Amino acid sequence: NAGVTQTPKFRVLKTGQSMTLLCAQDMNHEYMYWYRQDPGMGLRLIHYSVGEGTTAKGEVPDGYNVSRLKKQNFLLGLESAAPSQTSVYFCASSTGTGVLFGPGTRLTVL
Amino acid sequence: DQQVKQNSPSLSVQEGRISILNCDYTNSMFDYFLWYKKYPAEGPTFLISISSIKDKNEDGRFTVFLNKSAKHLSLHIVPSQPGDSAVYFCAASNQGAQKLVFGQGTRLTINP
Repeated sequence: NAGVTQTPKFRVLKTGQSMTLLCAQDMNHEYMYWYRQDPGMGLRLIHYSVGEGTTAKGEVPDGYNVSRLKKQNFLLGLESAAPSQTSVYFCASSTGTGVLFGPGTRLTVL
Repeated sequence: DQQVKQNSPSLSVQEGRISILNCDYTNSMFDYFLWYKKYPAEGPTFLISISSIKDKNEDGRFTVFLNKSAKHLSLHIVPSQPGDSAVYFCAASNQGAQKLVFGQGTRLTINP
């Protein structure tokens, strides 16, 4: 049981480049989330999903897209990266009674 | 507008003493509250939670208190241990444990 895993762990992008962050969970959780953590801001919800094939906007969705084609995977895409998207990104999954987080992806946009 | 606030960015406590971390919220619809602990370069890990129907929940050295009238919750750690040094986030939700809203975090340092 690997829990919540994230790929990659680190990434450096140039402004305007695109990339996809992958999140996988093997606990058969219905709910999955993408958060970003910035100094002094706590964790802010970007997008979330309440089941396979569904997605919804969170608190800070602009500049990101997501897809949940399979129940175990939740992808976060940046179509045209901006320096303001430099952050640590955490994926999480939940049964509705507890939220488990992945180890994070540190993204730097130059 | 910050719905969940942790007004103390940092807290330093002597080993063996009690650590008290505080959290305030503004949304009266929140009915579920959680505390997470985070070490550097790791994801947050769940510590303890409380439902709005309770005012106290205890788990070993950790106790969470909820004061609904004041919209305030606190986490007590006693006795504090060096391994408790971490960043602590409080979180709240009005949908069970879905869509958590987090505070800014408090960095707790336990001094030997």
